[in-house]
Amino acid sequence: GQQLNQSPQSMFIQEGEDVSMNCTSSSIFNTWLWYKQDPGEGPVLLIALYKAGELTSNGRLTAQFGITRKDSFLNISASIPSDVGIYFCAGHGGATNKLIFGTGTLLAVQP
Amino acid sequence: KAGVTQTPRYLIKTRGQQVTLSCSPISGHRSVSWYQQTPGQGLQFLFEYFSETQRNKGNFPGRFSGRQFSNSRSEMNVSTLELGDSALYLCASSLLGMRDGYTFGSGTRLTVV
Repeated sequence: GQQLNQSPQSMFIQEGEDVSMNCTSSSIFNTWLWYKQDPGEGPVLLIALYKAGELTSNGRLTAQFGITRKDSFLNISASIPSDVGIYFCAGHGGATNKLIFGTGTLLAVQP
Repeated sequence: KAGVTQTPRYLIKTRGQQVTLSCSPISGHRSVSWYQQTPGQGLQFLFEYFSETQRNKGNFPGRFSGRQFSNSRSEMNVSTLELGDSALYLCASSLLGMRDGYTFGSGTRLTVV
C-alpha cells in the first residue's frame, strides 16, 4: 500500500531536548496532518496544515507545510515523558483523494 | 461530546470465518473512514463513506466491505478471514471528509488464528 516516507524511524532522547522529524512524498499534497498514537489507542490529531509554507504551532509542537508541497516537518521543543508515542504524518489531496499516512516515528523520552 | 466508538475492542476469529466491526462516529459527523494498521504495512486506507455512499476505496480485496447507515454509524465486514487479516482496524470520522483531519476511535484488535 501507499505510504509516505517518514524519518527518523525512531528517536531516543533525554527529557528537555528538542525533536525534529519530517515526512516526504513523491506526490504533491494540499493538506498535511500530524498525528500522535499512544499504545492501544487510535491516532490523535496534533496539527493540520493547509497552505504551502504554512507554519503552525500547538503548544510545544510546531509543524510546517513544505514549499514544494511534497514534504512537512514537525518539531517538539523541550520534550517531556508524556511525548512518548508514535508520530504519524498524513497527506491529502493532489493526485489522490485519499488520506495517506507516513511510516511513523517512534519517540522515546528518558526522564 | 462522545468520541468515535468502536466495538468490539478485541476479537479472535478462525481462518475462513467472517467478521463484522462496528463504528459510531462523533455526533454530526457524516464522513467515516476505515483503516487497517499492521506493524509491517502501517496505516492503510480501506474505504470512506459519506452520507451512506462509499466515496473512496483503498486497494484491498473484495473480501473487505463496508456500509454506512442513515445515522452515520458504519460497519466493516471481512469475509473468508486469512491469517494476514490480523490487525488493528481503526475507524475515523469527520464533519465533511479527510481534509478536516479525522478523529479516530481506539480500534478493534482482530486476531485470526
